[in-house]
Amino acid sequence: DTGVSQNPRHKITKRGQNVTFRCDPISEHNRLYWYRQTLGQGPEFLTYFQNEAQLEKSRLLSDRFSAERPKGSFSTLEIQRTEQGDSAMYLCASSLRPDSSYNEQFFGPGTRLTVL
Amino acid sequence: AQSVTQLDSQVPVFEEAPVELRCNYSSSVSVYLFWYVQYPNQGLQLLLKYLSGSTLVESINGFEAEFNKSQTSFHLRKPSVHISDTAEYFCAVTETGANNLFFGTGTRLTVIP
Repeated sequence: DTGVSQNPRHKITKRGQNVTFRCDPISEHNRLYWYRQTLGQGPEFLTYFQNEAQLEKSRLLSDRFSAERPKGSFSTLEIQRTEQGDSAMYLCASSLRPDSSYNEQFFGPGTRLTVL
Repeated sequence: AQSVTQLDSQVPVFEEAPVELRCNYSSSVSVYLFWYVQYPNQGLQLLLKYLSGSTLVESINGFEAEFNKSQTSFHLRKPSVHISDTAEYFCAVTETGANNLFFGTGTRLTVIP
């Protein structure tokens, strides 16, 4: 395993359907982050996990969104009752918990969601 | 609150010419600064970072950026670009002790043969 992987890479769904994305972080990375990137914008932070604990959530994460990391390894991001405004690239990143200073976040290739 | 401004959404430049991609940030506390590059259909890759120490940081492929605290800037420069540098470049900031990155809207660099 040489990097963060995300599945699927592309998802097309109809408005109102539920979708789930998966992220597999780099082995031994105990922090995992989700970002959303819409067309023409930079990535925006959604949430992050330290092991299995979800420690921070952005106000962008509405109640239709839920993220889990049940065993502190892979994570899933579910969107219920999708809306056209949910169309975006969903990026996952992972990092080691730093002893001090800052640890680099390594990004996956993203899952592109299109809601029709 | 943190924010990052990348004023140039697109920068076309001829091959072997120099380039500067501008980035300004706002924050009331100490920050770490980053430049990420995104090639088509790929994830973000860290190009370079400023955490502390020397205000001039360099990447392995010839890019450099200088942290200017008084101007709250972290502009990215390269003296001679290659076709392979064509990509989207994102400036990002995080406050020391924070857990998430704030990104700018990106600059699409297009190198013209």
